[in-house]
Amino acid sequence: AQSVSQHNHHVILSEAASLELGCNYSYGGTVNLFWYVQYPGQHLQLLLKYFSGDPLVKGIKGFEAEFIKSKFSFNLRKPSVQWSDTAEYFCAVKKQTGANNLFFGTGTRLTVIP
Amino acid sequence: DAMVIQNPRYQVTQFGKPVTLSCSQTLNHNVMYWYQQKSSQAPKLLFHYYDKDFNNEADTPDNFQSRRPNTSFCFLDIRSPGLGDAAMYLCATSRRTGGSETQYFGPGTRLLVL
Repeated sequence: AQSVSQHNHHVILSEAASLELGCNYSYGGTVNLFWYVQYPGQHLQLLLKYFSGDPLVKGIKGFEAEFIKSKFSFNLRKPSVQWSDTAEYFCAVKKQTGANNLFFGTGTRLTVIP
Repeated sequence: DAMVIQNPRYQVTQFGKPVTLSCSQTLNHNVMYWYQQKSSQAPKLLFHYYDKDFNNEADTPDNFQSRRPNTSFCFLDIRSPGLGDAAMYLCATSRRTGGSETQYFGPGTRLLVL
C-alpha cells in the first residue's frame, strides 16, 4: 500500500539554523509530490510541489525541496529558519495516474526558538 | 480572493445526533474532497466528488455521507456521530485536467462529540 514517512516528529531549531525535513514514500510509479505547511490556528497551505522536470523545486518563503527518485525521497530544506516558520509541515504524495488519493505523512512539527 | 470556505469552524454535537458540515469554494474547481484529521495524525481521505461523480474510499464508514448540490458547495453528513468521530474535518478542492493536480484546503471544521 502507498505510504508516506516523515521520520522527524518534532524538530526544534534556533533562528538562522538550517532546516531539512525528511520525506520518503513507498510507491514505485510516477508521482506528484507536495509539501504543505500549517501555521498555528491556520489551514493547510501549499509550500511547493513537484510534478516533473527539475528535481530541485523552489517554493514560497525561501523553502526548497529535492526529489531524488532513486531514494524515493522529497526532503524539504531552508538555509536559515525564522521564528515565523514555526508550524506543522506535511509531505504528501499522489500517483500521477490511477487513483487520485493524496497520501499524507504524519507531519513534522517545527519549533523555531528566537 | 478565491478560496475554500468551511462553516462552521467549530461544531459541537451530541452522541448520535446527526450533524452537517459545509464547504464552499470560489475557485470553480471540479473536484471537492473531504478529509478527516485526528490529533497528531495525517489527514485521511473520506471521499471526493469529481464533478457530480461521487467516489467513496473503501474504508470510509457508512456513517459518513456527502452531497454536492452544485459546483460550489459540498456537504459532509455524519448520520450518527460517535465519540471516535471527533476530529478536524478538512475540505479541499482541485482542478482535474489530467494527471497532475494541486489540492487547496479550507480552514477545517473541528467537531466535538459530547
